[in-house]
Amino acid sequence: AQSVAQPEDQVNVAEGNPLTVKCTYSVSGNPYLFWYVQYPNRGLQFLLKYITGDNLVKGSYGFEAEFNKSQTSFHLKKPSALVSDSALYFCAVRDPISGNTPLVFGKGTRLSVIA
Amino acid sequence: DGGITQSPKYLFRKEGQNVTLSCEQNLNHDAMYWYRQDPGQGLRLIYYSQIVNDFQKGDIAEGYSVSREKKESFPLTVTSAQKNPTAFYLCASSIDLGSGIRKETQYFGPGTRLLVL
Repeated sequence: AQSVAQPEDQVNVAEGNPLTVKCTYSVSGNPYLFWYVQYPNRGLQFLLKYITGDNLVKGSYGFEAEFNKSQTSFHLKKPSALVSDSALYFCAVRDPISGNTPLVFGKGTRLSVIA
Repeated sequence: DGGITQSPKYLFRKEGQNVTLSCEQNLNHDAMYWYRQDPGQGLRLIYYSQIVNDFQKGDIAEGYSVSREKKESFPLTVTSAQKNPTAFYLCASSIDLGSGIRKETQYFGPGTRLLVL
C-alpha cells in the first residue's frame, strides 16, 4: 500500500528566510511524487513533480523539492520565503506498481510566512 | 484551476435531500476524480473514473454516487444516506495513458463547499 506523511501540521517562517515543508512516503517501488498548494477556498494548484532523473526538482514560484530515496523523503523548499507563500501545502504519491490508481495525499501542512 | 469548472461554488442541502455537484473539464482528459476535504484530514478519494461509462469507488464512497456519460463531465450526487456531508468537494482530472502507468499530473477545479441547513 502507498502512503505519504506530512509530519508538521503548521510551519512558521519569517519572510526572507528559507523554508522547508517535510514529506515522507511509503511505496513498494519507485514513487511518483507531487507537491500542490492550496489558497483559502480554492482548488489545489500543481507546484512540481518527481518521476525519474535528477533528484532536485524545480517548480513554480521558486519552489524546489529534493527526492531522497534512502530517507524516503521529498521535502519542499524555497530559499527565501514570501508572505504570499502562506497557504496549505499537500504532498502526494503514486506507486507505479499499484497500477492505474489515483494520487494519495498527505494531510497537508499549513505554512505561515510572517513579515 | 484552468480548464476545470465546478458549480455551484456554495451549495446548501436540507435534511433528506439529494444534491448534485457539477464538474466539467475541457482539457480532453480521460480520467476524473472526486475528493472530499475536511479540516485536518487532507483529501479523501470518493470516486474516480478512467473512461466514459466506467467508474470505481474510492475510500469513502458510501452515501455518494457518480455518473460518467460524457468525457468532459463527472457529476457527484450526495445522497440522503450521507449523514455528514458538510465539506469542501474537489474535482480533478488527468490524462490517462490507457494501459500505461499514469504519470500525469492531476489538475483540480476550484471546489464546491457543501453546507447542511
